[in-house]
Amino acid sequence: SQQGEEDPQALSIQEGENATMNCSYKTSINNLQWYRQNSGRGLVHLILIRSNEREKHSGRLRVTLDTSKKSSSLLITASRAADTASYFCALIKAAGNKLTFGGGTRVLVKP
Amino acid sequence: DVKVTQSSRYLVKRTGEKVFLECVQDMDHENMFWYRQDPGLGLRLIYFSYDVKMKEKGDIPEGYSVSREKKERFSLILESASTNQTSMYLCASSSTGRIYNEQFFGPGTRLTVL
Repeated sequence: SQQGEEDPQALSIQEGENATMNCSYKTSINNLQWYRQNSGRGLVHLILIRSNEREKHSGRLRVTLDTSKKSSSLLITASRAADTASYFCALIKAAGNKLTFGGGTRVLVKP
Repeated sequence: DVKVTQSSRYLVKRTGEKVFLECVQDMDHENMFWYRQDPGLGLRLIYFSYDVKMKEKGDIPEGYSVSREKKERFSLILESASTNQTSMYLCASSSTGRIYNEQFFGPGTRLTVL
């Protein structure tokens, strides 16, 4: 079963708006990562947040982590058409050594 | 930049055929992974390798085997392809000491088994 569950499954916004997606999980983690996948392509790593961190930024991306709620969010600010992609959270369990992916959120940014 | 390449973008095979999917990375990474991606199921780990000639089963190894004879190359083998192995196959690599850090992915191979 998947350890990371993204919400929503799909998101449609206008260019310039912010996009927020969430990831919930069930076990203790070492770290949580977010990846982007453009249609039919491989995944690209966006950002990693460790279990002892609460927030990280990278350019227009902001990731938060709430270990008490076992959830993370990815915020894309001032979205662009090029941000259209699927976004996946992936986590390493606290006692594990494998990356486990969620089902992804499909984001459509309309120009 | 890390580059992970996969031998084919698209592949069509017949049921029962033996299928080889090749993955090559050029950054001297110790760790390599094979995933399959299906709609609604996300990515699922098939096999991974921490070193040459080493392999470990992932979450769905049944029907697959792997080979890592050289550090830069990790092959996924479908001994007798079946229609339920129709999927997108993604290879990834990461460096030792950073096993908990980011993985670098190839472009994927979309395999259709008829």
